[in-house]
Amino acid sequence: AQSVTQLGSHVSVSEGALVLLRCNYSSSVPPYLFWYVQYPNQGLQLLLKYTSAATLVKGINGFEAEFKKSETSFHLTKPSAHMSDAAEYFCAVSVLDTGNQFYFGTGTSLTVIP
Amino acid sequence: KAGVTQTPRYLIKTRGQQVTLSCSPISGHRSVSWYQQTPGQGLQFLFEYFSETQRNKGNFPGRFSGRQFSNSRSEMNVSTLELGDSALYLCASSLTPGHSTDTQYFGPGTRLTVL
Repeated sequence: AQSVTQLGSHVSVSEGALVLLRCNYSSSVPPYLFWYVQYPNQGLQLLLKYTSAATLVKGINGFEAEFKKSETSFHLTKPSAHMSDAAEYFCAVSVLDTGNQFYFGTGTSLTVIP
Repeated sequence: KAGVTQTPRYLIKTRGQQVTLSCSPISGHRSVSWYQQTPGQGLQFLFEYFSETQRNKGNFPGRFSGRQFSNSRSEMNVSTLELGDSALYLCASSLTPGHSTDTQYFGPGTRLTVL
């Protein structure tokens, strides 16, 4: 069975500080991992995805994530937070056996303090 | 290229009624998935359609159903609405199923409120 755990439902950072959003996955087979962002009253927008190529994945808006198999983690980082980064972030996993079925984490709400 | 569109954006219904939500995928995308998003349960997978056939189904009661048309547009229906069905319903489209690397593109959602 596949699952995703996002540690910390709420994260607050100061503008300009490092953003670190944690995601751990559980999968019996090699996973494909995604980070999505959701702004208020909008759908989900893809930030980046890991599909077994490079373990360090760069996404949009300066975000990146590193796949660490030994730690079953796929944490999302950004060196310097911007006010516009305030949103809900979701980590998701999909595996070959389940086709297009995504398993989402419960989300992390990011607040950026000016 | 136009994104995923969902109609209506907002809907208010009363308990016991039924509702139909519509989703138009990105042009050329043939796979459509539906998700329910609530504060308590997060994002939960409802079902996925490809070529007018349901390929995957999440753990929801039979009151939740869907279908896909030949032009890949999809509808989902919820019958005998309950208060707990109040949620944001998200539709996502992708090129093809069975390829887990394929990105899902989400629509803005339909906000359903059941009174």
